[in-house]
Amino acid sequence: DTGVSQDPRHKITKRGQNVTFRCDPISEHNRLYWYRQTLGQGPEFLTYFQNEAQLEKSRLLSDRFSAERPKGSFSTLEIQRTEQGDSAMYLCASSPSSGYTDTQYFGPGTRLTVL
Amino acid sequence: QKEVEQDPGPLSVPEGAIVSLNCTYSNSAFQYFMWYRQYSRKGPELLMYTYSSGNKEDGRFTAQVDKSSKYISLFIRDSQPSDSATYLCAMRGSYIPTFGRGTSLIVHP
Repeated sequence: DTGVSQDPRHKITKRGQNVTFRCDPISEHNRLYWYRQTLGQGPEFLTYFQNEAQLEKSRLLSDRFSAERPKGSFSTLEIQRTEQGDSAMYLCASSPSSGYTDTQYFGPGTRLTVL
Repeated sequence: QKEVEQDPGPLSVPEGAIVSLNCTYSNSAFQYFMWYRQYSRKGPELLMYTYSSGNKEDGRFTAQVDKSSKYISLFIRDSQPSDSATYLCAMRGSYIPTFGRGTSLIVHP
């Protein structure tokens, strides 16, 4: 399967704990995006990478959130000192950055529950 | 007012019906318009991608964009129970899309 993969698929944690999610994009896709989706809402943009460079961050991304994409391949999203309001689906998407189409392909998401 | 407005539904139709899903938007900078389908607890799957105004057809799906009215539509012909999902509209000017909240569609046999 050459689609976007995310790990883990589900994560349950206690408030105050740190969590880390991983995203593996489609091979050779230069752009990688992170989104957060809560129940009944569309995905909200968090941040994106062009290769290993983090080019844009949403104001939704508080200082408890950090994302990396070492070597321009997989990416990790870490949430420190989790809060109940962090409970959501965290989606990763990648795109080939060819011209202006920039079609994004989503992974299955990581569902986070903070108790 | 949100940049992208989408009725959450649910929209319930009988199998074989023509389904019309719509979004309105306020940002004139949006030039690229997408429709995604999302099954429960799965990631969104791209269905249609349109640049600027006009129509685009792909099998049973037709996407329409009216930039003058800031209104986009997705039509599904001969709807099937397997089409039951949440349909998200998305649009962008640069690289970062803005999504609607999604419309829940139920196609019953």
